[in-house]
Amino acid sequence: EVQVVESGGGLVQPGRSLRLSCAVSGFTFDDYAMHWVRQAPGKGLEWVSGISWNSGSIAYADSVKGRFTISRDNAKNSLYLQMSSLRAEDTALYFCAKDMAYDLLSGGQDVWGQGTTVTVSS
Amino acid sequence: EIVLTQSPATLSLSPGERATLSCGAGQSVTSNYLAWYQQKPGLAPRLLIYDASSRATGIPDRFSGSGSGTDFTLTISRLEPEDFAVYYCQQYGSSPRTFGQGTKVEIK
Repeated sequence: EVQVVESGGGLVQPGRSLRLSCAVSGFTFDDYAMHWVRQAPGKGLEWVSGISWNSGSIAYADSVKGRFTISRDNAKNSLYLQMSSLRAEDTALYFCAKDMAYDLLSGGQDVWGQGTTVTVSS
Repeated sequence: EIVLTQSPATLSLSPGERATLSCGAGQSVTSNYLAWYQQKPGLAPRLLIYDASSRATGIPDRFSGSGSGTDFTLTISRLEPEDFAVYYCQQYGSSPRTFGQGTKVEIK
């Protein structure tokens, strides 16, 4: 069974850091690109960041560039999102999603986790 | 970045009716790399259509996608009760990937 499970969310003060993790199983992790997508309460979907199969290509939304860092460990079937200098507007449900392709510019996201909630507040 | 504009914002229809959702891009979508997702409250999005017109695995054939360039359409031929949800389009041919703001299909 294909599974994507996010963890690491929580309540954090503005300006602090948090690291999200995504553990996957049921498919060959290093054959596919992976993404983080977020959804603020009551709002739509916002793509945050993506990483190709071998970490050779990485991309970020302008809203997080310079503050968030995506990485993956293919040996551990895991994806990460290091978030720093957090702001109130980063409050959202963060989804980990598998790409249909190995690169960042040719596949939709066909497998999604249930998300982990990040709340940035003092 | 490519801005995607979905219309209408809300579509009020009855079960059995046909739903037509639109997604317009501010510039041409590379290779028609456009996807449609369905999201129900409290759940993760579900991929319906990729590459503008290909149905994802397990998606019923009442869902179809069409279009190219800057104009794309998701059609649900006959609405089933489980189809009432929010639908998003997304382009993945240019970085950064972008989503439309969503269309809510609600029961009339």
